[in-house]
Amino acid sequence: EVQLLESGGGLVQPGGSLRLSCLPSGFSFDHYGMNWVRQAPGKGLEWVSSINVGGTTSYADSVRGRFAISRDKSKNLLYLQMNSLTVEDTATYFCVKGQAGTYRATFFDYWGQGTLVTVSS
Amino acid sequence: YVLTQPPSVSVAPGQTARLTCGGDNVGRKSVHWYRQSPGQAPVLVVSDDSDRPAGISERFSGSNSGNTATLTISRVEAGDEADYYCQVWNSGSDHPVFGGGTKLTVL
Repeated sequence: EVQLLESGGGLVQPGGSLRLSCLPSGFSFDHYGMNWVRQAPGKGLEWVSSINVGGTTSYADSVRGRFAISRDKSKNLLYLQMNSLTVEDTATYFCVKGQAGTYRATFFDYWGQGTLVTVSS
Repeated sequence: YVLTQPPSVSVAPGQTARLTCGGDNVGRKSVHWYRQSPGQAPVLVVSDDSDRPAGISERFSGSNSGNTATLTISRVEAGDEADYYCQVWNSGSDHPVFGGGTKLTVL
């Protein structure tokens, strides 16, 4: 059974930093692109970032230069480093598995339960 | 690239719900659909316009042509009440795009 377990969310002040982690299980982590998708309270889904099996990354314009996605194959973990956070970054962040090794032209076949990030003073 | 979904659709139990996703020549793209029940993570219900993942009821089907993709839910049940999102890959910006979502209410 595929599972994605996010951690690292919490309350942070504007301008602060946070690192999210995602622990996947039930599939070969090395073989699939991985993603972060967020959802602000009461709002729709917003793609944040993707990383393919080779480590190539992609970012939404709203987070480029502030967020960094990475994957550690030795630890079997996916990360999202978030810097210079603003109130607009307040959302539940979902760790999402892609259905292929690339992140292009793919869909999202498994989602974690999400971790809540609240940016507030 | 913008995907437009109606904010809400209501249907009586046992009837058919048709949820639309509009976009410029969306028929030339592969459309994927996700269901998000209240307080839950999204679940893939249709991929590549009309493919159903394992474990998804046959009552869910998809189509895509012209400027509109459609998720059809037959014999709607109370448990189908959820938010539904469509998604495509936008080659222009080289990233995925979600529609705004449709809240399906079962009367």
